[in-house]
Amino acid sequence: QVHLVQSGAEVKRPGASVKVSCKASGYTFNSYDINWVRQATGQGLEWMGWMNPGTGSAGYAQKFQGRVTMTRDTSTSTAYMELRSLRSEDTAIYFCARGRRQFDFWGQGTPVTVSS
Amino acid sequence: EVVMTQSPATLSVSPGERVTLSCRASQTVSSNLAWHQQKPGQAPRLLIYGASTRATGVPDRFSGSGAGTEFTLTISSLQSEDFAVYYCQQYNNWPLSISFGQGTRLEIK
Repeated sequence: QVHLVQSGAEVKRPGASVKVSCKASGYTFNSYDINWVRQATGQGLEWMGWMNPGTGSAGYAQKFQGRVTMTRDTSTSTAYMELRSLRSEDTAIYFCARGRRQFDFWGQGTPVTVSS
Repeated sequence: EVVMTQSPATLSVSPGERVTLSCRASQTVSSNLAWHQQKPGQAPRLLIYGASTRATGVPDRFSGSGAGTEFTLTISSLQSEDFAVYYCQQYNNWPLSISFGQGTRLEIK
């Protein structure tokens, strides 16, 4: 069965970077895009961008352009999302999700707290 | 960017009732719309894609309809496990943008 298992909670200072991982299993990693979606406490869902594990190509929501990078390691079937220049407004749960347009499987979420 | 607006924000209903949730797009998204269910402390779960196709394993009490700018999610007979937040998501503009509605919370009356 399909599983997306994310790395653990992070606490960062403003201005720092965070890198969240998402390890896939139960399917052919290269065959499905990985998207990243975040959710601030008590808020809705915000799409950040996508990455194609087969080619390594990625596309980012305009809001995050220049501050986010999505990569992968095909040898371990793991996707990564790095967000730089963190600010308090980036405090949220970060989810990875499989799929090109609709997301059929989601990771469990990684809480990221940005605080001085 | 396509703005998705869901109504109502909160709906108080009793188990066994039929409920309809609405989602409106600021411009046409064709049938490129999905619905997700999210329970507290959990990741979202895909219910519907292509506006009306149920995802694998989703009970047939869930149905989706609509096209263009107006969409609905109907739950024919609410079960206790259906009390959650529901989000619509458009993917018509992929890969440039994907956007979600702000969610509708189903509460037990």
